[in-house]
Order: sequence, then structure tokens, then C-alpha cells
Amino acid sequence: NAGVTQTPKFRILKIGQSMTLQCAQDMNHNYMYWYRQDPGMGLKLIYYSVGAGITDKGEVPNGYNVSRSTTEDFPLRLELAAPSQTSVYFCASRRRGLNTEAFFGQGTRLTVV
Amino acid sequence: EDQVTQSPEALRLQEGESSSLNCSYTVSGLRGLFWYRQDPGKGPEFLFTLYSAGEEKEKERLKATLTKKESFLHITAPKPEDSATYLCAVTLNRDDKIIFGKGTRLHILP
Repeated sequence: NAGVTQTPKFRILKIGQSMTLQCAQDMNHNYMYWYRQDPGMGLKLIYYSVGAGITDKGEVPNGYNVSRSTTEDFPLRLELAAPSQTSVYFCASRRRGLNTEAFFGQGTRLTVV
Repeated sequence: EDQVTQSPEALRLQEGESSSLNCSYTVSGLRGLFWYRQDPGKGPEFLFTLYSAGEEKEKERLKATLTKKESFLHITAPKPEDSATYLCAVTLNRDDKIIFGKGTRLHILP
């Protein structure tokens, strides 16, 4: 099992450009999450999904969109990149059930200039 | 508003010097509390889950405990390889979000 795979690992975007951060998991997990991590700020939830076709907002959804057409994939879309979106983005997944642990990808470091 | 607060923000210890990290939470309807370890440039890795007040779990030099308002991560005789950021997170009864604290950066000096 590869676990949770995020691509790309690094990306530099210009202000106003768009991009999609990819996240795939091969553990057949129902729940998937997108977080951003800024220095000293912990992990902030952007969007999450409890299954294919179901998504919901987290704490900081503005400027982002998600879709979940399959159990395996949960892409995060940035439509008009802004410097405030410079961050490290982490995708995570976990099994359905009470208090199952989350597995994280290695992160995507995004810089918007 | 649901909150998870970790203290201290950063901690430097000598090798072998035991200490504790704190995670306090003010949430409505705690389902579970988690501890994760994060090394620089990597994603968090799961350490423990705690479900109910009074519960304790151990793994090597780490022991996690839970009360009704907070959790402690005790580190006994730490080694330099224990240096990392330790994150606390909670899940709630009302939805499937995972809410994280800001973490404690732990540095163990040889």
C-alpha cells in the first residue's frame, strides 16, 4: 500500500493562476480531509468528505473548491491564487468508525508570488 | 467555539530530562482525542487515541493521559530522536471533522 499520495510536492504559482492539488489513497478509506499548515499555526481544516459525492466545509474554505467523485481521490482546486494561500497543504484519510486514526500524505508546499 | 490549546509552544530538554506536554480542550461533545508526531517536512504520524477520562496509553518513552478537560503527553528519559512537533487533535460527536491544536515543538539536546 502506498497510503496517501499527494502531488505535486512543490509548486510556485503566480497571483491569479489556478491549480489542482491531487490526493489519492489506496486504503479504501471513506473519510478524506484537506488541511493547510502555516508556520506556528497547526493544521487548519479546509474541506472534508465522508464519501464519494459528499463534501463539507472546514474552518478556512474560502478560495478553495473540492470534489469527490471516487473513494480514492480528493482533489483540491485553487481558482485564483493569492499570496495568502502560500502554505503547506496536507491531505489525510481514515476509515469510517469511531475514533479511527488519520493517515497523512507528505504534503504539497505551495508558494504564490 | 470549539478550541484545542497546546502548551508550551516550544520546549527544549536535555537528553534524559523527563517532562509533559499539555493539550486542553473546550468542545461540545468530545468523541476522541488524538496525539500525532510531525517531523520537519513530513506529514503527521499517529501516536495515540484516547476515548474516556482516566484512560492512559503508552508507547516506548511516551505516555498519554486524558481527563475531562485536558490531555498530557508524558515523555520519560527522552532521546534526541524524540525531537519533533507533537500535535493534539479532537473529534466531536456532531460531525466527522478532526480539529488540531497548534502543536508543541520539542527539542531534545544530546
